[in-house]
Amino acid sequence: GQQVMQIPQYQHVQEGEDFTTYCNSSTTLSNIQWYKQRPGGHPVFLIQLVKSGEVKKQKRLTFQFGEAKKNSSLHITATQTTDVGTYFCAGPGGGNEKLTFGTGTRLTIIP
Amino acid sequence: KAGVTQTPRYLIKTRGQQVTLSCSPISGHRSVSWYQQTPGQGLQFLFEYFSETQRNKGNFPGRFSGRQFSNSRSEMNVSTLELGDSALYLCASTLRTATNEKLFFGSGTQLSVL
Repeated sequence: GQQVMQIPQYQHVQEGEDFTTYCNSSTTLSNIQWYKQRPGGHPVFLIQLVKSGEVKKQKRLTFQFGEAKKNSSLHITATQTTDVGTYFCAGPGGGNEKLTFGTGTRLTIIP
Repeated sequence: KAGVTQTPRYLIKTRGQQVTLSCSPISGHRSVSWYQQTPGQGLQFLFEYFSETQRNKGNFPGRFSGRQFSNSRSEMNVSTLELGDSALYLCASTLRTATNEKLFFGSGTQLSVL
């Protein structure tokens, strides 16, 4: 079945440093979504990318969808303590699955 | 609009028991999905309901079942609980537009099986 992997699994950065998480799917995706889950919270929708090579920005966050529509990345510039949490990518699964979530990247910020 | 409401927030059960979790989606959302989240397995899709019909089902044993009512509220049931069923169970309602599909998650039910 479809697999969606994210690297790294964990990332510790100093406040103010940049952060990037990468998402790779075993199959081509029609679209990809990104979610953020704060510690003790639930996943919250951030963005959806649909087009090959698409780049979208939300303030300090930059999202990219690969040309082959099998990978994606999320880059945060100048991290802040409010960026702490786990970032998940998710894409429509094959077979009878709805959305297949990536393994997640847990970001911690060192003040 | 109120968000997705899940009850109860926490639950402790023992092996062999059964449990029912409830989810009320955002008003107007007719699709409800359920996910299991564990530290080791991440977010795993359980099933999706739309207009009282199960549309998709993940790779979980038959002990996991669900249903949706005419008011879009959904319940999931786990019978004969096992220790490995301890997890955060998340419900999400879906907002679909012509070009977009967003999941709105509830706060989840933290189930502990002893």
